[in-house]
Amino acid sequence: GIQVEQSPPDLILQEGANSTLRCNFSDSVNNLQWFHQNPWGQLINLFYIPSGTKQNGRLSATTVATERYSLLYISSSQTTDSGVYFCAVLNQAGTALIFGKGTTLSVSS
Amino acid sequence: NAGVTQTPKFRILKIGQSMTLQCTQDMNHNYMYWYRQDPGMGLKLIYYSVGAGITDKGEVPNGYNVSRSTTEDFPLRLELAAPSQTSVYFCASRPLAGTGTKNIQYFGAGTRLSVL
Repeated sequence: GIQVEQSPPDLILQEGANSTLRCNFSDSVNNLQWFHQNPWGQLINLFYIPSGTKQNGRLSATTVATERYSLLYISSSQTTDSGVYFCAVLNQAGTALIFGKGTTLSVSS
Repeated sequence: NAGVTQTPKFRILKIGQSMTLQCTQDMNHNYMYWYRQDPGMGLKLIYYSVGAGITDKGEVPNGYNVSRSTTEDFPLRLELAAPSQTSVYFCASRPLAGTGTKNIQYFGAGTRLSVL
């Protein structure tokens, strides 16, 4: 099945810094989502981005489907950005999302 | 619009006990899922359903059972709880493949289960 790899596994930032999180996937996909799991465990949809670029405030994402990767950009990071960021892609059967292991982000003031 | 609702939020079980984790969604989604998340790990798929009356195994189904009698509800049953089932359980739902934002998967708030 599809393999999803995220990097880096951990990231420590000072408030105000920018960061880039990467998601590589092993096969072509037509559904890719980024999620943020906050410190309380809640999973929040950030982007549905099978291809192209989207922006939402300080966050933006780009997926280059032909090269099998997606990037999540966080600009001017805030302490509330802390948590785990997951990338997930739809399996070949189109029935379920396959998750990467996540990037744990810690933003300190 | 409540989205995906899971109950209970927390539960402690003794080894060998049984329980059902409840999940309901009010978005008329066809797909529903159960995942487990172990500490420091990503989400692993336990079972999923593509519609009422249809369920299928995911990556880690052993020790669990599911049923889907209605579009809205997708309970997860643990028959003989074991310490290895200590985890956070997430229910999710998704509409049939469409275009644009309609193909987004939504998650419940999770159930923290400890088996002692």
